[in-house]
Amino acid sequence: SQKIEQNSEALNIQEGKTATLTCNYTNYSPAYLQWYRQDPGRGPVFLLLIRENEKEKRKERLKVTFDTTLKQSLFHITASQPADSATYLCALGGAGNNRKLIWGLGTSLAVNP
Amino acid sequence: IAGITQAPTSQILAAGRRMTLRCTQDMRHNAMYWYRQDLGLGLRLIHYSNTAGTTGKGEVPDGYSVSRANTDDFPLTLASAVPSQTSVYFCASSDQGAGEQFFGPGTRLTVL
Repeated sequence: SQKIEQNSEALNIQEGKTATLTCNYTNYSPAYLQWYRQDPGRGPVFLLLIRENEKEKRKERLKVTFDTTLKQSLFHITASQPADSATYLCALGGAGNNRKLIWGLGTSLAVNP
Repeated sequence: IAGITQAPTSQILAAGRRMTLRCTQDMRHNAMYWYRQDLGLGLRLIHYSNTAGTTGKGEVPDGYSVSRANTDDFPLTLASAVPSQTSVYFCASSDQGAGEQFFGPGTRLTVL
């Protein structure tokens, strides 16, 4: 069955450092991958989308890579800030008109001042 | 309204009661979704609708029903609530293709 794995342990880093979160998947060939941020008590908020034919996507301090051979996406936050502390979710999407996403459990990130 | 609204914000419900969670979006998105989120299990799709008038079953549809009479509204009904339906419920919507999903603020439901 399709499976997505994200770092199960919380990630603690120092302010100003780069945070790197991992999303691995098996038994699936996604057309695209999305990253979301979720704060406690709130719904997820979309951050970035990367398609299967793209290697890298950037948005301000965020960078996402997508390696369909390794079946892995890496999510980087550079110059991290305490306000970046949240849970980050990756989600895989299929091709065509199927807009359903398969979700990872998320990785909790804490940026310490 | 801007985005997606859900009601109620939270609810405590006796087992066996019927409950409808409301979801409304004003972005004219074609697709809408209902998820439940439980600790250790993540977001699980309950039902979805690709366009008004159509619905489909997600990963965990049992005990839930939905309707999509128009573009904006996508209510989720628990016909006879059970304690295992205690969860946080999120409604979401998306536009064409590989669109990002926009989430509502969630409904925290406790079934006793």
